[in-house]
Amino acid sequence: EVQVVESGGGLVQPGGSLRLSCEASGFTFSSYNMHWVRQATGRGLEWVSGIGPAGDTFYSGSVKGRFTISRENAKNSLYLQMNSLRVGDTAVYYCARATYEGDFDHWGQGTLVTVSS
Amino acid sequence: EIVMTQSPATLSVSPGERATLSCRASQSVSRNLAWYQQKPGQAPRLLIYRASNTATGIPARFSGSGSGTEFTLTISGLQSEDFAVYYCQQYNNWPPYTFGQGTKLEIK
Repeated sequence: EVQVVESGGGLVQPGGSLRLSCEASGFTFSSYNMHWVRQATGRGLEWVSGIGPAGDTFYSGSVKGRFTISRENAKNSLYLQMNSLRVGDTAVYYCARATYEGDFDHWGQGTLVTVSS
Repeated sequence: EIVMTQSPATLSVSPGERATLSCRASQSVSRNLAWYQQKPGQAPRLLIYRASNTATGIPARFSGSGSGTEFTLTISGLQSEDFAVYYCQQYNNWPPYTFGQGTKLEIK
């Protein structure tokens, strides 16, 4: 069974840092594009960042230069290093697997990041 | 950046009836369009990919159509578990992937 499980969320002050993790199982992790998608309370879905099997990375304009996505294929793990956090980054962050078509077919349960003083 | 616009924002339909949700792209996305369902407190779930292909385990009452800039999600014979928020997403031109703002399907 395909599973992705996020961890690492919490409360952080503006300007602070946080590292999210996503542990994958049930599929060949190293073969897939993986992504982070966030959702502020009561709002829609916002794509944040993605990474290819070989480590090529992609970012939304709102996080470029502040967030860094990475993966460790040997550990079936995806990460999101978030620096210079802002109140507007407060959201549930989901880890998602992309199919070869490009849609996101498996999502984790999400981890809540709250940026507040 | 491609902007995805969903309509209506809220749709009220009675159980057993048909619901039709719309999604429009600001430029052509070919058929690279997915639909997701999200219930309160849950992660999104993939329903439709490539505009009209039903994802694994999704009931046949869900169907998608369209290409280019106009897309439709149809749910026939609505059941109680279908009342949720639905999002469309384009993956034709990325980054960034972009989602619509969502349509809330509520019980009439």
